[in-house]
Amino acid sequence: QAVLTQPSSLSASPGASASLTCTLRGGINVDTYKIYWYQQKPGSPPQYLLSYQSDSDQQRGSGVPSRFSGSKDASANAGILLISGLQSEDEADYYCMIWHTRASVFGTGTKVTVL
Amino acid sequence: EVQLVESGGGLVQPGGSLRLSCAASGFIFSNYNMNWVRQAPGKGLEWISYISATSGSIYYADSVKGRFTVSRDNAKNSLYLQMNSLRDDDTALYYCARAGDFDDWGQGTLVTISS
Repeated sequence: QAVLTQPSSLSASPGASASLTCTLRGGINVDTYKIYWYQQKPGSPPQYLLSYQSDSDQQRGSGVPSRFSGSKDASANAGILLISGLQSEDEADYYCMIWHTRASVFGTGTKVTVL
Repeated sequence: EVQLVESGGGLVQPGGSLRLSCAASGFIFSNYNMNWVRQAPGKGLEWISYISATSGSIYYADSVKGRFTVSRDNAKNSLYLQMNSLRDDDTALYYCARAGDFDDWGQGTLVTISS
């Protein structure tokens, strides 16, 4: 079982909100981890979006619009990336990441399609 | 402007070696931890190595431990990855990424392992 599991794909309409989940493997408590999120468009390197530990400890990357935000769902043991007001330019792959036992672990990635 | 430029990729036979470089500019390189991340064709991101700013802490993914060696030369603003005993599944685009939150990435250098 992967340490971080993400849905393989998600589709949404322009202007809608998209909620991307990053589920931590059992035994790894989301409350203790800072969750990082990255966006990758075809042919380009990943781009840092934000990190989220708590509502008071959230940091967006340089130039990242405020319609990208993070949260956690403790009941689901998951980190969440919320994209509000979805735009065609948001069509991309999205990866979550944590630092776990002196190693970085990336999630399996979610391909977001804007219909 | 932060710039990370990887080089050294190429076509190598299984069992061969390769040394990747990452030239950094636009920031004080000696103040930042650095990482190597790879992405196999059509696949997700895989972290492979971390080195602290002073080279005092070094970590590897299990998939490369014992075969790859990360190093840096702060005087030359450069990060390196020595890759030995290369295997087919090492074929990937190799990125260097800055800091523990991977806030900046290079464009990557392609490593192809094939006979």
